[in-house]
Amino acid sequence: DTAVSQTPKYLVTQMGNDKSIKCEQNLGHDTMYWYKQDSKKFLKIMFSYNNKELIINETVPNRFSPKSPDKAHLNLHINSLELGDSAVYFCASSPLAGATYEQYFGPGTRLTVT
Amino acid sequence: AQSVSQHNHHVILSEAASLELGCNYSYGGTVNLFWYVQYPGQHLQLLLKYFSGDPLVKGIKGFEAEFIKSKFSFNLRKPSVQWSDTAEYFCAVTPRSNDYKLSFGAGTTVTVRA
Repeated sequence: DTAVSQTPKYLVTQMGNDKSIKCEQNLGHDTMYWYKQDSKKFLKIMFSYNNKELIINETVPNRFSPKSPDKAHLNLHINSLELGDSAVYFCASSPLAGATYEQYFGPGTRLTVT
Repeated sequence: AQSVSQHNHHVILSEAASLELGCNYSYGGTVNLFWYVQYPGQHLQLLLKYFSGDPLVKGIKGFEAEFIKSKFSFNLRKPSVQWSDTAEYFCAVTPRSNDYKLSFGAGTTVTVRA
């Protein structure tokens, strides 16, 4: 059973398009995260939701909008995609907010913008 | 803002060799420290973590890390590596004052030759 799943695994799209990445966790966790890993492998947090409420919103273009319909899901919608958005996006979850709790990561979604 | 430096980008070694990966962070306050590993084709998973107490922490798969506060370091070690230790290793830090935000280093690729 996959604890944190993401769809799609790969996403290739053209500049200017709008796309969404979905994340689901079946661990019963309250907190979910989105990270971006760039071509140099830097992992940087983008957003975090705790029980459907936004608690971290890093300096991310407002073309990126997270949506949490319930605490088991955190989707990432990206408008007007740009070349620089090409990266691997990781979803993660933890039992509660705060790094005291281990984060469980999904397999990643490799986004390529052409 | 805190930052995390991993000194080695790519380490290549033979089976049974000892491994040490460096990690330094820049943050003046109290921190929580983590090492994550990403095996080829798999998601990130926690190797070990340090919050307080004994600065030498033991993790899974024979890994250990030592927190040296005076050096702002949290180096990862394994006395004898196996081929299966081939992976990407990430150091991560979060300040206790705001432990929602996990900051990752750039990662170190470890290749173990049989």
